[in-house]
Amino acid sequence: GAVVSQHPSRVICKSGTSVKIECRSLDFQATTMFWYRQFPKKSLMLMATSNEGSKATYEQGVEKDKFLINHASLTLSTLTVTSAHPEDSSFYICSARDPTSPGQFFGPGTRLTVL
Amino acid sequence: QQQVKQSPQSLIVQKGGISIINCAYENTAFDYFPWYQQFPGKGPALLIAIRPDVSEKKEGRFTISFNKSAKQFSLHIMDSQPGDSATYFCAASKGSNYQLIWGAGTKLIIKP
Repeated sequence: GAVVSQHPSRVICKSGTSVKIECRSLDFQATTMFWYRQFPKKSLMLMATSNEGSKATYEQGVEKDKFLINHASLTLSTLTVTSAHPEDSSFYICSARDPTSPGQFFGPGTRLTVL
Repeated sequence: QQQVKQSPQSLIVQKGGISIINCAYENTAFDYFPWYQQFPGKGPALLIAIRPDVSEKKEGRFTISFNKSAKQFSLHIMDSQPGDSATYFCAASKGSNYQLIWGAGTKLIIKP
């Protein structure tokens, strides 16, 4: 149980384009989903917290107009990196909270490379 | 006060040995302490977790020891295997949103 999928696993795009990453909870309903960014050999950096049906709460320093988060259903959240630039290249990971369990369950991550 | 300090940064253990990773926290409001295992290019996977009302929790070869008075908790991996080679993160959270405060991670290498 508590499986979270993420799509795509890897994406390469040109500078200036927008990229959408999907995060799905497959076997539970996630009232809260989290989006993280991870740099090589570093810990996870929380970007935003999203609750189903409401606006995401962004961490300080994260541009909400650049990283658009939508949590339209209890099983799907999306992160759109708008007008991506090479500095946005990173490993993006989502997680979801199962209300019946205290933990967060993570997706496999998306490697974004912006050329 | 929101920090979770993790040590060591890296650890090399012989196969069959015990791997020990330590974490310390300041905020006494934290009420959930998970450990995550992450392999390169993958998302973290929940390994084991503990609440502060318990001093120890064991699941297979993995044990969390929790010292509430010292505000420390540690992960012990018994009979360490090469497949345990990964980066381990401790974390802490409080309240109903379960937003995690992360340690810096420990890269564990198990030598055959």
